[in-house]
Amino acid sequence: EPEVTQTPSHQVTQMGQEVILRCVPISNHLYFYWYRQILGQKVEFLVSFYNNEISEKSEIFDDQFSVERPDGSNFTLKIRSTKLEDSAMYFCASSETDRGDEKLFFGSGTQLSVL
Amino acid sequence: AQKVTQAQTEISVVEKEDVTLDCVYETRDTTYYLFWYKQPPSGELVFLIRRNSFDEQNEISGRYSWNFQKSTSSFNFTITASQVVDSAVYFCALSRIDSNYQLIWGAGTKLIIKP
Repeated sequence: EPEVTQTPSHQVTQMGQEVILRCVPISNHLYFYWYRQILGQKVEFLVSFYNNEISEKSEIFDDQFSVERPDGSNFTLKIRSTKLEDSAMYFCASSETDRGDEKLFFGSGTQLSVL
Repeated sequence: AQKVTQAQTEISVVEKEDVTLDCVYETRDTTYYLFWYKQPPSGELVFLIRRNSFDEQNEISGRYSWNFQKSTSSFNFTITASQVVDSAVYFCALSRIDSNYQLIWGAGTKLIIKP
């Protein structure tokens, strides 16, 4: 089965530093998403992206966050100035469409630790 | 409001026992999707099943079975003859029929299978 790949699997950074989390969605998918999961808590939606722009974002996705599709294959999440509370597992996902019956494919996540 | 409740925070059973993970949901939508995801210790989210609210038939896939009861707003997951490899956190989730990515997640049930 095709895979969504995320790099790095673990990222440690100092508070206030910028981080970029990278994702390679499945090649024929057009819709891309980021989610996060703080340790021991529920998975939370951050943002959806289609046609080179954000289509929807949650309250969590404030001005410190940005997403980009810099080329035909990568989809990145940037956190401009990390805070301790940004420590979480970040999941990238993609799908062919955003229809309700369309399956989401998740990557294996990037564990971000902000010290 | 939409909500998913997984009341069992952690379940521990001995290998080969059957185990049922409970999921109760709330929604005002008449049509929706329900999901189960598995998160093994390695951290990735593995899709297990999606069920349309129109379809109340129970489903069996190998040792896994799902019992969807609209009358009680429940979508329970049973593992028969559990194995150590089933040890993981299992998430139940709910989505609107018109959106595949705005998932409402339960808090997860940590399942420990002892040899």
